[in-house]
Amino acid sequence: DVKVTQSSRYLVKRTGEKVFLECVQDMDHENMFWYRQDPGLGLRLIYFSYDVKMKEKGDIPEGYSVSREKKERFSLILESASTNQTSMYLCASILGQNTGELFFGEGSRLTVL
Amino acid sequence: TQLLEQSPQFLSIQEGENLTVYCNSSSVFSSLQWYRQEPGEGPVLLVTVVTGGEVKKLKRLTFQFGDARKDSSLHITAAQPGDTGLYLCAGVTSGTYKYIFGTGTRLKVLA
Repeated sequence: DVKVTQSSRYLVKRTGEKVFLECVQDMDHENMFWYRQDPGLGLRLIYFSYDVKMKEKGDIPEGYSVSREKKERFSLILESASTNQTSMYLCASILGQNTGELFFGEGSRLTVL
Repeated sequence: TQLLEQSPQFLSIQEGENLTVYCNSSSVFSSLQWYRQEPGEGPVLLVTVVTGGEVKKLKRLTFQFGDARKDSSLHITAAQPGDTGLYLCAGVTSGTYKYIFGTGTRLKVLA
């Protein structure tokens, strides 16, 4: 059974704290994504990675960075969390072709106070 | 910037009713997908449509891709409470891995 696992379902952080969100997939997928989901805005792409150590900015990369040291793991980093980064964060992966199915994790709900 | 507008944004209906959700864009996509997301879960793929004018059926759900590949619709016949969830369309442009997601339609089916 395919699986994308996000390490934290719920986090509460304070403004200025560094936040790590981790995502692991067990499907040997090349491509991994981080999305942010806000009501009425759908899913917006923050970053994606098409190979180990390779990354590309999405539509809203400001305030975020990513790390992909191993094929199965893709981390999202908030260097200095701000209240406008309170959101649901979704990790996804896909094998190769760009018409394929995105497999999503269960999401990490981050609240920044 | 590519945008996908979904309508309606919210829908609350009685069990047994029919409904249609629309996904519209001014951009052409090489394929379009529909996902359903239940509370506390990530989105799960329902269908992918690739050819302009294509119609796909999944039990009581009928998906159509517009002839010009700019829009799509999801029709549910005789809705059930189990259909409750957030429906998201996502367009993909050939040669990229950028999935453009729609704004979402939150459906609630009352028993």
